[in-house]
Amino acid sequence: AQTVTQSQPEMSVQEAETVTLSCTYDTSESNYYLFWYKQPPSRQMILVIRQEAYKQQNATENRFSVNFQKAAKSFSLKISDSQLGDTAMYFCAFYAGGTSYGKLTFGQGTILTVHP
Amino acid sequence: DTEVTQTPKHLVMGMTNKKSLKCEQHMGHRAMYWYKQKAKKPPELMFVYSYEKLSINESVPSRFSPECPNSSLLNLHLHALQPEDSALYLCASSPTTSGGGLEQFFGPGTRLTVL
Repeated sequence: AQTVTQSQPEMSVQEAETVTLSCTYDTSESNYYLFWYKQPPSRQMILVIRQEAYKQQNATENRFSVNFQKAAKSFSLKISDSQLGDTAMYFCAFYAGGTSYGKLTFGQGTILTVHP
Repeated sequence: DTEVTQTPKHLVMGMTNKKSLKCEQHMGHRAMYWYKQKAKKPPELMFVYSYEKLSINESVPSRFSPECPNSSLLNLHLHALQPEDSALYLCASSPTTSGGGLEQFFGPGTRLTVL
């Protein structure tokens, strides 16, 4: 079974600064996908960024980038130039493929607050 | 249209009521999901439908009954719920249930309160 661990229940950052959210996972699978989802207060969950395990290059989406360390089973999210709209709960999620039939394994989440 | 819609937004029901939650997507996705989410917790998967067939039931109590009438629509029928079933119920869809087609698009959820 897969596990996903987010060790930072809450974090805060000043507007325009950079923050990194941690995520580690445990799996015996060789082919898998990793995701960061964002859930703003009272708003719907959206995908921030995804990483295919077979790709060595770290994924980037505008101000969001990941540091994917496959050997260490680490998948951290860096948010640059933080904005007030980045305030949200962030979930790291893992998908093993194969016979998982779409089942995502989520971490416990990190509540990020961006202060003006 | 890259949206998953859910109705109603809020629902209050008694323990003896029967109600239904509805989810709709028009992105041509062939996989749809029901999740239950408690405050400040990750979503918990309840059911997965793939090509309109139930492929995963995460040992959900029978008082929750899913239905997928067609590829765009997903219902969750509720009957004889308990107060501990109060939560945000999220629907999601994805192109498929595998590989690069897995990216899940979430709806805004239905906030359910059981009295």
